[in-house]
Amino acid sequence: DVVLTQTPPTLSATIGQSVSISCRSSQSLLDGDGDTYLNWLLQRPGQSPQLLIYSVSNLESGVPNRFSGSGSETDFTLKISGVEAEDLGVYYCMQATHAPLTFGSGTKLEIK
Amino acid sequence: EVQLVESGGGLVQPGRSLKLSCAASGFTFSDHNMAWVRQAPKKGLEWVATISYDGSNTYYRDSVKGRFTISRDNAKSTLYLQMDSLRSEDTATYYCARHDNFDYWGQGVMVTVSS
Repeated sequence: DVVLTQTPPTLSATIGQSVSISCRSSQSLLDGDGDTYLNWLLQRPGQSPQLLIYSVSNLESGVPNRFSGSGSETDFTLKISGVEAEDLGVYYCMQATHAPLTFGSGTKLEIK
Repeated sequence: EVQLVESGGGLVQPGRSLKLSCAASGFTFSDHNMAWVRQAPKKGLEWVATISYDGSNTYYRDSVKGRFTISRDNAKSTLYLQMDSLRSEDTATYYCARHDNFDYWGQGVMVTVSS
């Protein structure tokens, strides 16, 4: 199975600070069709996961543009440019290039 | 508005069965592959199973193969997960989700396997 390693496991940020979360894959996530199926999700406390970014860098409809994704092959990054209070929660990367679909272990964002 | 509403969870003894349902609305259910994802208490997310839009193809994680069955009724816009031979390690909140980029998730339903 593809292992997704997220760092850091915990992140503490002040309002307005920019932060980045890394997701490294044990295998290339580039599919034979040229797509890379790496998504980013946010799970706020007590809520279901919510899609933020799909296919590395595509912002899901309704998601603020302070969120951005980048990367390729095995190395991916989620950036939040100017953290807001509502951004607290656990961020997960997930891959759907290889079966079985797998998730990273999560990065918990705390607001100072 | 897209809605996914799970039901059918509860407390069940090891070895017994439970069937989860997920009622979908707000989109053409029969056009989309669907999935179940679970989350053990205080743990991360774990994909469980996926079914193709027409039900012709199903996929499972190894640990549930032969015990869980994913199915759907497109006429009722409902997704199911039949869980047999339940084990304590199946204890989790189960979410149904639209498999297209996992763009929509239900609120989740808790399944507790304990004697």
